[in-house]
Amino acid sequence: IQMNQSPSSLPASVGDKVTITCRANQGVGNELDWYQQKPGKPPTRLIYATSSLQSGVPSRFSGSRSGTNFTLTINSLQPEDFTTYYCLHQSNYSGWTFGQGTKVEIK
Amino acid sequence: QVQLIQSGAEVKKPGASVKVSCKISGYSFSELSIHWVRQAPGKGLEWMGGFDREDGDTIYAQTFQDRVTMTEDTSTATAYMELRSLTSEDTAVYYCSASYTFAAYWGQGTLVTVSS
Repeated sequence: IQMNQSPSSLPASVGDKVTITCRANQGVGNELDWYQQKPGKPPTRLIYATSSLQSGVPSRFSGSRSGTNFTLTINSLQPEDFTTYYCLHQSNYSGWTFGQGTKVEIK
Repeated sequence: QVQLIQSGAEVKKPGASVKVSCKISGYSFSELSIHWVRQAPGKGLEWMGGFDREDGDTIYAQTFQDRVTMTEDTSTATAYMELRSLTSEDTAVYYCSASYTFAAYWGQGTLVTVSS
């Protein structure tokens, strides 16, 4: 299974609404998580099972799915949101597959 | 509070092996699926393999299949990842991750530098 994440870089401003997409090359059900990673830190999970918000994560983060296309939406970007995001598909058969990452940068 | 504490940074020569540990506290070790992920400098996240608690199987990424071994010691709630035949391309931060359905936790990372 391959996960194609786009864009690789996303210029934005504080208060913007942004979307990041991951496309699977085959059906993966709802087995898709979204992670945030800040420089020098381990990733932290934002969304699991496509659209479930991890406890403690702000509600401006949301996830959705259309077929094999998965979307992370950040409503009203905050200064601390300018960092890198990854999608992750987990399979009991083929293991984990990460997207290539999206760096949300200040425009 | 679940904590994953990894062993310290390592410097290795090409051809050597490295063994990284990940001690888990704050949750039942036997209920967690434990995986290992690495990140080369300036690069993305790369899954290496892991143990799925539901299946009871350890699965390795094809890239590492021949030179990685993942084990665990349930008596000390510690997971281990050993990588053999190191090259400079194995220079990376290595993370352990422990998860169950509703939560995922990561260690702080262990920097492994491979240099002659």
